[in-house]
Amino acid sequence: QVQLQESGPGLVKPSETLSLTCAVSGYSISSGYYCGWIRQPPGKGLEWIGNIYHSGSTYYNPSLKSRVTISLDTSKNQFSVKLSSVTAADTAVYYCVTYNSGWRHFDYWGQGTLVTVSS
Amino acid sequence: DIQMTQSPSSLSASVGDRVTITCRASQSISNFLNWYQQKPGKAPKLLIYAASSLQSGVPSRFTGSGSGTDFTLTISSLQPEDFATYYCQQSYSTPSLTFGQGTRLEI
Repeated sequence: QVQLQESGPGLVKPSETLSLTCAVSGYSISSGYYCGWIRQPPGKGLEWIGNIYHSGSTYYNPSLKSRVTISLDTSKNQFSVKLSSVTAADTAVYYCVTYNSGWRHFDYWGQGTLVTVSS
Repeated sequence: DIQMTQSPSSLSASVGDRVTITCRASQSISNFLNWYQQKPGKAPKLLIYAASSLQSGVPSRFTGSGSGTDFTLTISSLQPEDFATYYCQQSYSTPSLTFGQGTRLEI
């Protein structure tokens, strides 16, 4: 059974960089899956942040592309997201996900972690 | 970006009702449309992929249909556990993936 678990600071100051990690169990991220991140501001809808393939190729939401970096650590079977220059608008629950590139859907989700941007 | 518009934004229904939620894409997306269910405090769960394929383990009262720009999610007989928020998501414009704004289904 594939399981994902997000970790990282729950509070980030404005203008700083948000950093989260997703630990994956149940499969090897180097085996060919896409991994990604999705966020959800409190009381609002879902926003795709970006995906990374096992080769390291990345794909980002154009609206966040200038501030986001997703990376893999295959030795630890985990992947990460960094979002720079955060503002209150970046306050959200952040989910790590796997993306089935064959059927083109998000199949496995972490439980989500709330990140609040505040001084 | 392809915009996804769901209607209605919220819906009140009763146990046993038949309910339909609509999702419209701003351009044709063939059948690259997925539906997710989200309950409060939980991660979304995949219900339907490729417009009409039922994800393993999802009850058969959920059906999806449509192609091109117009899609529907139908729940044939609402059960208490179905009250949640539903999102559509297009995967035609890979890798720029977008969600609808959600439909909140209330008792």
